[in-house]
Amino acid sequence: SQQGEEDPQALSIQEGENATMNCSYKTSINNLQWYRQNSGRGLVHLILIRSNEREKHSGRLRVTLDTSKKSSSLLITASRAADTASYFCATISNDYKLSFGAGTTVTVRA
Amino acid sequence: GAGVSQSPSNKVTEKGKDVELRCDPISGHTALYWYRQSLGQGLEFLIYFQGNSAPDKSGLPSDRFSAERTGGSVSTLTIQRTQQEDSAVYLCASSLTLVGGSEQYFGPGTRLTVT
Repeated sequence: SQQGEEDPQALSIQEGENATMNCSYKTSINNLQWYRQNSGRGLVHLILIRSNEREKHSGRLRVTLDTSKKSSSLLITASRAADTASYFCATISNDYKLSFGAGTTVTVRA
Repeated sequence: GAGVSQSPSNKVTEKGKDVELRCDPISGHTALYWYRQSLGQGLEFLIYFQGNSAPDKSGLPSDRFSAERTGGSVSTLTIQRTQQEDSAVYLCASSLTLVGGSEQYFGPGTRLTVT
């Protein structure tokens, strides 16, 4: 069964705007990871945040983690057309396997 | 360096036939994972290997599914007597270790269509 749930399911924004998506999960985790999947391609790892971290940045990406609420957010700033993709959060608990949500589909309009 | 590779990239098979999917992990990665992504769905964990052993087979959907890994490198996922509900993209990933849930690197996937 899926651990994470992303919200919203789909997001359409104008180039240059920020995109925010959220992920909620059910059980305690070791870490949480965000992945991007372009149409017809494999998954690309974006960022990993550990359970003892609250915020992490990587380029135009900002991830937050609130373990008390069992939720995470991914913010993409100054979006570009190339950011059009599906974004998945995935959690790892003690058993080391990634549990993915159904993803958020982001469309960036030029 | 080379990433995770999978073959074939696409496979169309008739219901009832067996199929074999192959994964070549990144050299030196000890952990290898198989996932399945059905149309419009998230990824579903199938199995992982640490070295050649598979301590967790809990995600395999039925006994028609099996996987092996030899020499701590290449892995094959075999589906026997395929059914239409087996149609999906099968993704393989590898990571340097299992410890701490390190970053997983994904291959491009094999798109399986059972007709």
